[in-house]
Amino acid sequence: GAGVSQSPSNKVTEKGKDVELRCDPISGHTALYWYRQRLGQGLEFLIYFQGNSAPDKSGLPSDRFSAERTGESVSTLTIQRTQQEDSAVYLCASSLNRQLIFNYGYTFGSGTRLTVV
Amino acid sequence: DAKTTQPTSMDCAEGRAANLPCNHSTISGNEYVYWYRQIHSQGPQYIIHGLKNNETNEMASLIITEDRKSSTLILPHATLRDTAVYYCIVRLNRMDSSYKLIFGSGTRLLVRP
Repeated sequence: GAGVSQSPSNKVTEKGKDVELRCDPISGHTALYWYRQRLGQGLEFLIYFQGNSAPDKSGLPSDRFSAERTGESVSTLTIQRTQQEDSAVYLCASSLNRQLIFNYGYTFGSGTRLTVV
Repeated sequence: DAKTTQPTSMDCAEGRAANLPCNHSTISGNEYVYWYRQIHSQGPQYIIHGLKNNETNEMASLIITEDRKSSTLILPHATLRDTAVYYCIVRLNRMDSSYKLIFGSGTRLLVRP
């Protein structure tokens, strides 16, 4: 597609429920990143995919968080047993291969706003 | 990991140049300086990046000091649509080439009519 697409754009869930957030990167972008942004704060790195593998998961805050990517395309971020502190905007970004990132940077989606009540 | 320091907020008049400073005194020789901005309710948008030399594109200019310890993003003719949070980021280099970007709190730029 023309840009990075995330769905849903908004999600309200009850505490303790599981949620899945989806990211469709730009076609051909081999690198994919998930970030979290709490209200009024900067972006926190969560996980990085190169192809379908995740060489850097260092930002996942707990074992309730997991992510996968298939077909070097769509990625899903899953949060199990959601807590109120998980409320945030979850942003996905993609980029061309690591050589071309020097010239193009990342392209971000508009994010999924997650509210845990 | 190199970190950046930016003013919390700035403002400028519409049509004037906006000069946003950033300090990155611990930057290493092969780390790039990236600038992104985030307009309300949108994902961050790439603006420009550089290593040593000054850079210019259709959006902005980037001035990097000779010692690379600081830089300035210049929006030559700010418009109301440039109101956003501007992030100065030093790109991490890792052996696995993850190219993770670490976002600080940024500078909230308000362009006044």
